[in-house]
Amino acid sequence: EDQVTQSPEALRLQEGESSSLNCSYTVSGLRGLFWYRQDPGKGPEFLFTLYSAGEEKEKERLKATLTKKESFLHITAPKPEDSATYLCAVQYSDKIIFGKGTRLHILP
Amino acid sequence: ETGVTQSPTHLIKTRGQQVTLRCSSQSGHNTVSWYQQALGQGPQFIFQYYREEENGRGNFPPRFSGLQFPNYSSELNVNALELDDSALYLCASSFARDYGYTFGSGTRLTVV
Repeated sequence: EDQVTQSPEALRLQEGESSSLNCSYTVSGLRGLFWYRQDPGKGPEFLFTLYSAGEEKEKERLKATLTKKESFLHITAPKPEDSATYLCAVQYSDKIIFGKGTRLHILP
Repeated sequence: ETGVTQSPTHLIKTRGQQVTLRCSSQSGHNTVSWYQQALGQGPQFIFQYYREEENGRGNFPPRFSGLQFPNYSSELNVNALELDDSALYLCASSFARDYGYTFGSGTRLTVV
């Protein structure tokens, strides 16, 4: 079955404590893997698109990487304003599947 | 015009009724997709339109239908509403398939 699994479901970090979020997928013919950030009551905000294994992209404190079966979102020295739900999505064939997200909470 | 706007922001309908949700995309964004998001879950893909033709569909019944118009607006229609249709409905657009999407803030639909 085609699916996207994100882990952990929730993560609490102290400000400045770096960590990684995982997104694993089981689809054939990946056309793109997306990372989004979603704040409560709002639509997802686009962060990155990755297309092939080995690709990496960075934006401020965030860095996304892609292998053949999973992607990582590394967050370095996070700040309280990085608290949000981080969603991973894969596009394959003519479909898009989202994971359930990781709820990230950064404590000051 | 920048951003994706959805209307209405909130809506209450009765089971069995029909509803139309609207979305206005950024100029030049010829790809639009619609999602259903339940509380605490990731968005579920309903369908996608590219240049006014449906070119992808998730596991939703035919009573979920849509249209995309030349002026970069689109709509989601749901017939015979069920209680389980209560959710946040999100519209997202992109200037090309396979690129990142810009999402609207959604329409919160409650079916009673």
